[in-house]
Amino acid sequence: DQQVKQNSPSLSVQEGRISILNCDYTNSMFDYFLWYKKYPAEGPTFLISISSIKDKNEDGRFTVFLNKSAKHLSLHIVPSQPGDSAVYFCAASVSGATNKLIFGTGTLLAVQP
Amino acid sequence: NAGVMQNPRHLVRRRGQEARLRCSPMKGHSHVYWYRQLPEEGLKFMVYLQKENIIDESGMPKERFSAEFPKEGPSILRIQQVVRGDSAAYFCASSPTTGSPGANVLTFGAGSRLTVL
Repeated sequence: DQQVKQNSPSLSVQEGRISILNCDYTNSMFDYFLWYKKYPAEGPTFLISISSIKDKNEDGRFTVFLNKSAKHLSLHIVPSQPGDSAVYFCAASVSGATNKLIFGTGTLLAVQP
Repeated sequence: NAGVMQNPRHLVRRRGQEARLRCSPMKGHSHVYWYRQLPEEGLKFMVYLQKENIIDESGMPKERFSAEFPKEGPSILRIQQVVRGDSAAYFCASSPTTGSPGANVLTFGAGSRLTVL
């Protein structure tokens, strides 16, 4: 039962352009969503999050959009930089319970110089 | 602040041996989570612990796997009688007390990579 899905295993983008990573979820109880970035042989690092009471959160080059009716969120990176090349994981949780995160399968982003 | 510390970073075991993975949470964090990443897959939740208590072990395999977070010392993920299918990266994460600032965000360690020969 894959409650969080990232249907694109990989994405290639030119440096300076926008990267858009997508994520869908099925559990309507999720009320907090996060994006993590992971380099090879390292642990995931937190990037940005959004509560279900919002539809957009922005932090520098990174913006997360949430569409609750479609159960869809996306991460926009603009402008993309070669250092952004990594695997991006979408995660969701139900606040106040255990706060455990349910992860998607990840999207490998390659930013070409 | 050293972050979440995991050791060993790499562990090789033969089938039937035991594997012990250790995790020290970030200073001030009282909640520990273990995740497993199989090759070419995402991170799967295994278990959530607070000091001396297992809160949610819904992701733990029913046999051979156990976890603890004692009053003193690191959290331990123990795998008995390892099989080749246990080869994976095991990540530990920690968070502050539920309801405190940042409680929704888990901070991950660098992982322990288990190889079963």
